Amino acid sequence: QVQLVQSGAEVKKPGSSVKVSCKASGGTFSTYTFSWVRQAPGQGLEWMGKIIPIFDTTYYAQKFQGRVTITADKSTSTAYMELRSLRSDDTAVYYCAKEDNISYQHDSWGQGTLVTVSS
Amino acid sequence: DIQLTQSPSFLSASVGDRVTITCRASQAISSYLAWYQQKPGQAPKLLIYAASTLQSGVPSRFSGSGSGTEFTLTISRLQPEDFATYYCQQLYTNPLTFGGGTKVEIK
Repeated sequence: QVQLVQSGAEVKKPGSSVKVSCKASGGTFSTYTFSWVRQAPGQGLEWMGKIIPIFDTTYYAQKFQGRVTITADKSTSTAYMELRSLRSDDTAVYYCAKEDNISYQHDSWGQGTLVTVSS
Repeated sequence: DIQLTQSPSFLSASVGDRVTITCRASQAISSYLAWYQQKPGQAPKLLIYAASTLQSGVPSRFSGSGSGTEFTLTISRLQPEDFATYYCQQLYTNPLTFGGGTKVEIK
């Protein structure tokens, strides 16, 4: 079972950037796909994008194109999500999740990272 | 993007009730659908994948069915620990969209 541990909560100013990390253990990092999902306060789940480390391939939801970058460091088994030009409506809990290689469901999740955007 | 519409968005039920949640996709997604349970302050937990396959460790009172555009999650006998919000997610194509969620509360 893959364990995902995310970095701690962040408070950011509007217009700045945030980079959240997700360290994986218990599996072969580069063979997995990692997605990022966010949840604004009291709202539902929103898929942002994903990375396939073995191919260094990324996919982003149209809504976040140009503002988000997902990367992976295979040497440390860590995935990252950077979101730029932060706005107040980016305040949310950000989750990383591992995707199953066959049926693509998210079978392991990080604990979540609260990002608060406030002046 | 594929839109997923869950219904109802809210339901009130009693312990022991049979509960059914529906998820409709805006286009056919074969069986590429997963269901998650989320409790307040926790990450989502995978319940069902490939529309009807129970994730290891998930109680057998949970079941999923459907293919194409219409899917259901059924809880056969609701237990106190099942009061939570449930989400469907399509895994057919990027972006991997979620339904709006169904909150199951105690009657």
